[in-house]
This record gives sequence, C-alpha cells and structure tokens, in this order.
Amino acid sequence: DQQVKQNSPSLSVQEGRISILNCDYTNSMFDYFLWYKKYPAEGPTFLISISSIKDKNEDGRFTVFLNKSAKHLSLHIVPSQPGDSAVYFCAASADNDMRFGAGTRLTVKP
Amino acid sequence: EAGVTQSPTHLIKTRGQQATLRCSPISGHTSVYWYQQALGLGLQFLLWYDEGEERNRGNFPPRFSGRQFPNYSSELNVNALELEDSALYLCASSLARGLTDLYTEAFFGQGTRLTVV
Repeated sequence: DQQVKQNSPSLSVQEGRISILNCDYTNSMFDYFLWYKKYPAEGPTFLISISSIKDKNEDGRFTVFLNKSAKHLSLHIVPSQPGDSAVYFCAASADNDMRFGAGTRLTVKP
Repeated sequence: EAGVTQSPTHLIKTRGQQATLRCSPISGHTSVYWYQQALGLGLQFLLWYDEGEERNRGNFPPRFSGRQFPNYSSELNVNALELEDSALYLCASSLARGLTDLYTEAFFGQGTRLTVV
C-alpha cells in the first residue's frame, strides 16, 4: 500500500539553482512529515521535518512546505550544491508508524 | 552516544536458508522499525516494534518475522530465502511519542546487505 508517493524517481538541477522534490500522501491520519537524505552505502539521515499544524519549516537552505488539503509536501533546496546529490526520501508518520516514499535521486551538476 | 547499530554488515545466504539480522537501537529509544530497500526501489516498510510488541507490519509474507527484546534490540528473521529477498535491510529507532506530544525523528543504522544466491 503506497501511502506515501514520490512520483519523480530522479531530478537533475544545475548548481546554484533551486531543487524541488515532491511527495504526496493518501492517509489523512499522518500528522508529521520528514525528509531523509541517503548517500550510497549509508543509512538515511534526517534532514528536516514539519508537523501538520504548520505549513512551512525552514532550516538554512532547506525548506519544507505542507499543503494538507492537497495531501502534498515538498522540499526546496536553495541554492543547490553538488554535495546535495543523493536520494531523498519523504516520510509520513501517524502515532509513530512511519511510511516512506520510494525516493527521488537528486543530481546537482556543477 | 552510539547510533543505531546493525549486524552483520553483509550476509550471503543460499536460497531456502534462513537469515537473521540484528539491530541495536539508540539508548533510550523504544521503537524499532525495519525497512527493505531492494535495488532500484525505495524503502519498503517491513515491521514496527515498540515496547516489545509488534505494532504494525508491511505487505510482506509471513516468512518475514522478527521480535524485540527487553533491552529494545530487535531481530529480523527471513525464512525460506528467495532470490528477490536480496536487498539492503535498514533498521531505525525512535523515541515513542511522549505526553508532551513532542515529535522525534527516527535514526537509521547503516543497514545489512543481504545477498541470496
């Protein structure tokens, strides 16, 4: 059951430009959303999160937007850097049960 | 403080055998999650344990099972291994949500790479 969907398997952007990664969910019980970043041969690491009572959370170059009515969240990275190249997973949580999307591979070209 | 540790790092098994994967959560974390990441696919939810009990399982056959011990460490067992079970198995741990409604993030281990030949 794909409760969390990342429909773009890959994204390529130029260094310095904005990267926008998208995520959709179907379960309205999800109340906490997270983005994880994964480099090859490493476990995912937490990047940024947002609770359902907010519509935006910012941390440096990373901003997560939540549109509850559309059941959609997005991660913006500005400006994108080559070191941001990784697989990004969005996750949604309800009562500590977390589900992940399939991931989007971001490539930032110098 | 030690992070989530998984063992072994790599595991090679023959089709039909059983595999046992282990996970030690961060000290104080009571919830343990298991995920499968097959080649080219995303993280597929397998199992969630909290306080020693299985809270939820993903859409996997019963030959995927596990348990959580009193010290909150966890084991994932895969019986009757099939070639398509070859994947990276990730364990994550988190604090259970407290009364203050503070949300926490799950921390992942580096995974066990299971290869079935």
